[in-house]
Amino acid sequence: NAGVTQTPKFQVLKTGQSMTLQCAQDMNHNSMYWYRQDPGMGLRLIYYSASEGTTDKGEVPNGYNVSRLNKREFSLRLESAAPSQTSVYFCAVLVTAREKLFFGSGTQLSVL
Amino acid sequence: AQSVTQPDIHITVSEGASLELRCNYSYGATPYLFWYVQSPGQGLQLLLKYFSGDTLVQGIKGFEAEFKRSQSSFNLRKPSVHWSDAAEYFCAVAEGFSGGYNKLIFGAGTRLAVHP
Repeated sequence: NAGVTQTPKFQVLKTGQSMTLQCAQDMNHNSMYWYRQDPGMGLRLIYYSASEGTTDKGEVPNGYNVSRLNKREFSLRLESAAPSQTSVYFCAVLVTAREKLFFGSGTQLSVL
Repeated sequence: AQSVTQPDIHITVSEGASLELRCNYSYGATPYLFWYVQSPGQGLQLLLKYFSGDTLVQGIKGFEAEFKRSQSSFNLRKPSVHWSDAAEYFCAVAEGFSGGYNKLIFGAGTRLAVHP
């Protein structure tokens, strides 16, 4: 997971609480992604950012917001957490020149 | 919007047997297609990709996949499975544009078990 730093690794929230997942890359690439992974559903794209200052919705954006303030960082915010948002969240950087998607180590989030 | 369907949630094969994992995609333009593998506790590793050209693509670890536009399919195959191939396999499709691709969408995955 070199090059993509994702924090925190674990988090437990109560329903209605808010939190921000942080992701930073040191690979100087444009495309960054947030996915959630749930058993039997694979990786589902929440939001992505093709470049600094731009963000686009993925497959499951409801209940989330993102921010891409600079090239390095792409954060994911849950404004009012719900139990359905219990999942493992992955940040990723797409390096098309190397045809590789670099993933962070993941955040295991539980919403009670 | 593009989407990917992997019809088989679980597949079990015997070591040495052949393998085919199915993948169907939905996308209006020419798709960029990928197969990734995820071993327990590991990240995703790219097995192979299709962008254009020869519809039969070779990947790492002896895997190959064939793009069939008429069937909107990109099935993964291996002639002889090894016990170390037990893992979860994800098909993915991306939007292509001049100079690259973006918005990588994954299927739900197929979990492969290998019997000795």
